[in-house]
Amino acid sequence: DGGITQSPKYLFRKEGQNVTLSCEQNLNHDAMYWYRQDPGQGLRLIYYSQIVNDFQKGDIAEGYSVSREKKESFPLTVTSAQKNPTAFYLCASRKAGTDNSPLHFGNGTRLTVT
Amino acid sequence: AQSVAQPEDQVNVAEGNPLTVKCTYSVSGNPYLFWYVQYPNRGLQFLLKYITGDNLVKGSYGFEAEFNKSQTSFHLKKPSALVSDSALYFCAVRDAGGGGGYNKLIFGAGTRLAVHP
Repeated sequence: DGGITQSPKYLFRKEGQNVTLSCEQNLNHDAMYWYRQDPGQGLRLIYYSQIVNDFQKGDIAEGYSVSREKKESFPLTVTSAQKNPTAFYLCASRKAGTDNSPLHFGNGTRLTVT
Repeated sequence: AQSVAQPEDQVNVAEGNPLTVKCTYSVSGNPYLFWYVQYPNRGLQFLLKYITGDNLVKGSYGFEAEFNKSQTSFHLKKPSALVSDSALYFCAVRDAGGGGGYNKLIFGAGTRLAVHP
């Protein structure tokens, strides 16, 4: 079955350490996205990529970095510069070329930084 | 600027009763509207969307939504709620207008639906 795989499901890190969250899709989608979810705040866009080797900052990109070297993969690095990294992180993808196609989501990675 | 509001943090419904989860939006052009559902510790699942045409949109699991342009609303409905419908529901909007730029999908804060036996 096609879908989006995020790993790991749970991640624990010490403050000051960088950590990379994996996102892989086999849906042949061009566009990929990273969202952060905090209780009561909905989803906020961190970064997005509409094509390989290109990506754009979303609304809350500070303290995060991404790469898009392959169509299938869009890893997110949470750096030590991110002031409040503990959150639920969601990766999504969709067909590019039309604004009305829905997002497909992975099952998320819950990051806890202490 | 685009925005979407879900005025209720939580909606409580008895099983078998109809349910409504409210959503209002603001865009400068025509809207593309979406509803998603999220179960605990999972990603969001697409339920339905409004692009154009019939104001009543039918989606997955018996859900439907009514687009009302004059009230800028897109409320989610189901005629008979199930306990298994209990989850977090998100409304989202994208401006369908052009302008050459990328129009982001904006999510509401979510409404928790609790269906009681």
